[in-house]
Amino acid sequence: EVQLLESGGGLVQPGGSLRLSCEASGFTFSNFAMSWVRQAPGKGLEWVSTISGNGGNTFYADSVKGRFTISRDNSKNTLYLQMNSLRAGDTAVYYCAKDFGGGYYFPTDYWGQGTLVTISS
Amino acid sequence: EIVLTQSPGTLSLSPGERAALSCRASQSLSSSYLAWYQQKPGRTPRLLIYGASTRATGIPDRFSGSGSGTDFTLAISRLEPEDFAVYYCQHYGTSPRTFGGGTKVEIK
Repeated sequence: EVQLLESGGGLVQPGGSLRLSCEASGFTFSNFAMSWVRQAPGKGLEWVSTISGNGGNTFYADSVKGRFTISRDNSKNTLYLQMNSLRAGDTAVYYCAKDFGGGYYFPTDYWGQGTLVTISS
Repeated sequence: EIVLTQSPGTLSLSPGERAALSCRASQSLSSSYLAWYQQKPGRTPRLLIYGASTRATGIPDRFSGSGSGTDFTLAISRLEPEDFAVYYCQHYGTSPRTFGGGTKVEIK
């Protein structure tokens, strides 16, 4: 059974930083691209970032490019999202998500339960 | 960036009725890279359709996807009580990926 467990969310002041983690189990982690998707309270889904299975390729939404960094440690079956220069508009539930294949051109087929990130002074 | 526009914003139907949800792209998509997701309140999204028309594992055959170019449709042939939810389309063929704004299917 695929399981994705996010951690690291919380309340941060504008301009601050936060690192999200996602521990994966139930599948061969290195074989699949992984993504982060966020959802602001009461709003729709917003894709944030995707990393290929071997970690060699990363992709970002324009809204986070230059501020967020996605990475993975395949030896630990863990996905990360380093978030810097946080803004109020980054407030959302952040979902860790497994993609259907190892590269970029696959949809997301499993989602974690999400971790809430709140940016406020 | 490809903008996906979903319509209608809300669809009010009764159980047993047919639903047709639209997703229109700002530029032509490769039909291989269009997905549909279902999200119920307080739940995580569920993949329904990928490649514009392929049902994901375990998805009932009352759900079907169609379309090409810039116009795509998710159809639900006969609405079951558990189908009332919000539905999102997403393209994943270029970066950045984008989602549509969603269509809420509510009980009439």
